Amino acid sequence: QKEVEQNSGPLSVPEGAIASLNCTYSDRGSQSFFWYRQYSGKSPELIMSIYSNGDKEDGRFTAQLNKASQYVSLLIRDSQPSDSATYLCAVSGSARQLTFGSGTQLTVLP
Amino acid sequence: DTGVSQNPRHKITKRGQNVTFRCDPISEHNRLYWYRQTLGQGPEFLTYFQNEAQLEKSRLLSDRFSAERPKGSFSTLEIQRTEQGDSAMYLCASSSGSNEAFFGQGTRLTVV
Repeated sequence: QKEVEQNSGPLSVPEGAIASLNCTYSDRGSQSFFWYRQYSGKSPELIMSIYSNGDKEDGRFTAQLNKASQYVSLLIRDSQPSDSATYLCAVSGSARQLTFGSGTQLTVLP
Repeated sequence: DTGVSQNPRHKITKRGQNVTFRCDPISEHNRLYWYRQTLGQGPEFLTYFQNEAQLEKSRLLSDRFSAERPKGSFSTLEIQRTEQGDSAMYLCASSSGSNEAFFGQGTRLTVV
């Protein structure tokens, strides 16, 4: 079982819709959770971090964390074609390094 | 530009040659990480420095890989006797106390 799992997609949503990206992790000691966006051929860009159970909102992005279910999600409201990218879920615990999922490829259709 | 800087951006080398990559982190960040990413996969941890100390090294990192951060500022990653399987994007990231890690542009290595 992989430590961080994401649906590989691809996920397609129409422009203006809500995109929902999901991630599960296996290490119950995980403390910090991150979402990165990666455009093709580019490096990952940090878009959200979340450390405690519940929701965290930043503009059109909402991260949700449920430690009991070992589940993290990212909602993108009013999706735009420029949101088309691969979204990487990353987790860290007492060890500082990040463990990444394989990413979910999102396409927003105009 | 005060972000993480990596050089070179691209490197093509012949199998068996040695290559060295450089990473300049965000200036106030004391932690520096190296990752490797292949197509269709998430970044894979290689090694981690806090200041000049190398605190962790992945079991996946073979003896041909070595990394240094001599004065706690920039870091180098060297791969000796490159193999075709080393072809990947090598990513450097830095962070401070918040654990939020910011990535450089990466170095794309192609071994022919």
